[in-house]
Amino acid sequence: DIQMTQSPSSLSASVGDRVTITCRASQGIRNDLGWYQQKPGKAPKRLIYAASSLQSGVPSRFSGSGSGTEFTLTISSLQPEDFATYYCLQHNSYPGTFGQGTKVEIK
Amino acid sequence: QVQLVQSGAEVKKPGASVKVSCKASGYTFTSYDINWVRQATGQGLEWMGWMNPNSGNTGHAQKFQGRVTMTRNTSIRTAYMELSGLRSEDTAVYYCARGPSYDSINMDVWGQGTTVTVSS
Repeated sequence: DIQMTQSPSSLSASVGDRVTITCRASQGIRNDLGWYQQKPGKAPKRLIYAASSLQSGVPSRFSGSGSGTEFTLTISSLQPEDFATYYCLQHNSYPGTFGQGTKVEIK
Repeated sequence: QVQLVQSGAEVKKPGASVKVSCKASGYTFTSYDINWVRQATGQGLEWMGWMNPNSGNTGHAQKFQGRVTMTRNTSIRTAYMELSGLRSEDTAVYYCARGPSYDSINMDVWGQGTTVTVSS
């Protein structure tokens, strides 16, 4: 199975801050990676697909980059509604595997 | 709009089975695979398996071997996930999510989740 190592596990940030979250795959996965946002009591929502493509309707302050084994989700200017937990998901090979999650909290 | 609507919460005793449904609307049901993902309270996301509604073909994570069954009824656009031999560790929210049939795990739209509680 491909292991996805996500960091940090949590972070505290202020509104307006630039935030970066990283996922590292245990082997190359091309660009077969998505980023998801989950708020308490809600289903995950996809933000980014194919590592760097913005899902329709998602604000442009979200961006993704990377290929192979290293991937990054960046929020350019954190907004109050962005406080949530973020997960990466590799879909290069079965079984699908998620990163452990990054909880973004208010400083 | 594209939507997946899941069945309601369940409470089961250890050793029992649970069957969760996922009704699709707003798209061609047989053009997308249905995945199942679960999340224990306060924990991360765990992929369980997938099903192709057109062929009925399925695949699942090794840890669920022999315990998970995924089926569908195309006439009512509904997918099902049955988990047997329930234990307390199976207490979780179960989600269905669709992915294109050429790239099943690439999940875009998710159901609202179904809470399954296993307790004696």
